[in-house]
Amino acid sequence: DVKVTQSSRYLVKRTGEKVFLECVQDMDHENMFWYRQDPGLGLRLIYFSYDVKMKEKGDIPEGYSVSREKKERFSLILESASTNQTSMYLCASSLAETKETQYFGPGTRLLVL
Amino acid sequence: DAKTTQPTSMDCAEGRAANLPCNHSTISGNEYVYWYRQIHSQGPQYIIHGLKNNETNEMASLIITEDRKSSTLILPHATLRDTAVYYCIVRAYNAGNMLTFGGGTRLMVKP
Repeated sequence: DVKVTQSSRYLVKRTGEKVFLECVQDMDHENMFWYRQDPGLGLRLIYFSYDVKMKEKGDIPEGYSVSREKKERFSLILESASTNQTSMYLCASSLAETKETQYFGPGTRLLVL
Repeated sequence: DAKTTQPTSMDCAEGRAANLPCNHSTISGNEYVYWYRQIHSQGPQYIIHGLKNNETNEMASLIITEDRKSSTLILPHATLRDTAVYYCIVRAYNAGNMLTFGGGTRLMVKP
């Protein structure tokens, strides 16, 4: 069974803190994605990685960075958290040739105070 | 990506088939139809996809009309756990990195 796990379901941080969100997949997928989901705005892509140490910016990369040191792990970093980064963060993975068939993790609901 | 139109909400009785329609009249020849769902407070879940033939897997069946301008996702025996928002997405194979979900259909399965 395909499995994408995220390090936390709920997270509360203070403005200015550095935040790490971890995502691990056990399907040997080449592609990994970080999205955020906000009411009325749908899913928005933050970053995408197609291989270890490779990354591409999505639609809203500002304020975020990513790290992919191992194939199975894709980390999202909020360098200095701000209140407008309060959101649901979703990690997904897919095979290289089938980006439309993405498998999502359960999500991390982040609240920045 | 082709534009899709789905009803905002639908109800279904538990144990009955849930038939969720999607209109995609501007679909191009190389575009597939994908279905995802999102249960409240969880990540989206891939269900099924197809090009022109009907498809079936352990979760659902996908019926695509001959002119490909519409499709129907069928959950043959809906359960309460199928209550979710169902999204129909039309896009070409490997076109872009981001999945774009429209409004979707909120399916409520009732006892």
